[in-house]
Amino acid sequence: GAVVSQHPSWVICKSGTSVKIECRSLDFQATTMFWYRQFPKQSLMLMATSNEGSKATYEQGVEKDKFLINHASLTLSTLTVTSAHPEDSSFYICSASVPTGVGEQYFGPGTRLTVT
Amino acid sequence: DAKTTQPPSMDCAEGRAANLPCNHSTISGNEYVYWYRQIHSQGPQYIIHGLKNNETNEMASLIITEDRKSSTLILPHATLRDTAVYYCIVRVGRGSQGNLIFGKGTKLSVKP
Repeated sequence: GAVVSQHPSWVICKSGTSVKIECRSLDFQATTMFWYRQFPKQSLMLMATSNEGSKATYEQGVEKDKFLINHASLTLSTLTVTSAHPEDSSFYICSASVPTGVGEQYFGPGTRLTVT
Repeated sequence: DAKTTQPPSMDCAEGRAANLPCNHSTISGNEYVYWYRQIHSQGPQYIIHGLKNNETNEMASLIITEDRKSSTLILPHATLRDTAVYYCIVRVGRGSQGNLIFGKGTKLSVKP
């Protein structure tokens, strides 16, 4: 149980275009999902907390108008990178908590974004 | 949330136990200890968590000192597939609320 999927697993896009990444909890409902970003040889950095039915909470320094987050249902959150630039190239990972747990999170496999 | 300190890297022979230490001397009474690992180019994987008592599951054992200021993750029979970065995170167990703050972790290399 507690499986989280992401789609796509990798994407290459041109500078200036937008890319949408989906995060799904497959066997549980997640009122809260999290989006992380990881640059090469660095640790995960939280970008935003996604709450079902309400606006996401962004970490300091993360542009909310550039990284659009939508959590329209209890099993789906999306991250859209708008007007992507090469510096947005990174590994994007989502996670979700099981509501009945004590804070453990389950992570998706990640999405490798390359902006050319 | 309390800060943790882990060695940057460790080696372990295949088939032997891997003991990964973590210091969390400023841990509060309501904070849990969580362990995750990240195999290269994959999303992190939840391993185990504990509050006060030692815990064991099919993946690992977690030993927490009586004063809760440190803990050890034990992989009883390490395999090559256990090579990964292991993260020790201390946080209040708030159910579905609250994010995880990842440090640099310990890079475990299991060698044949």
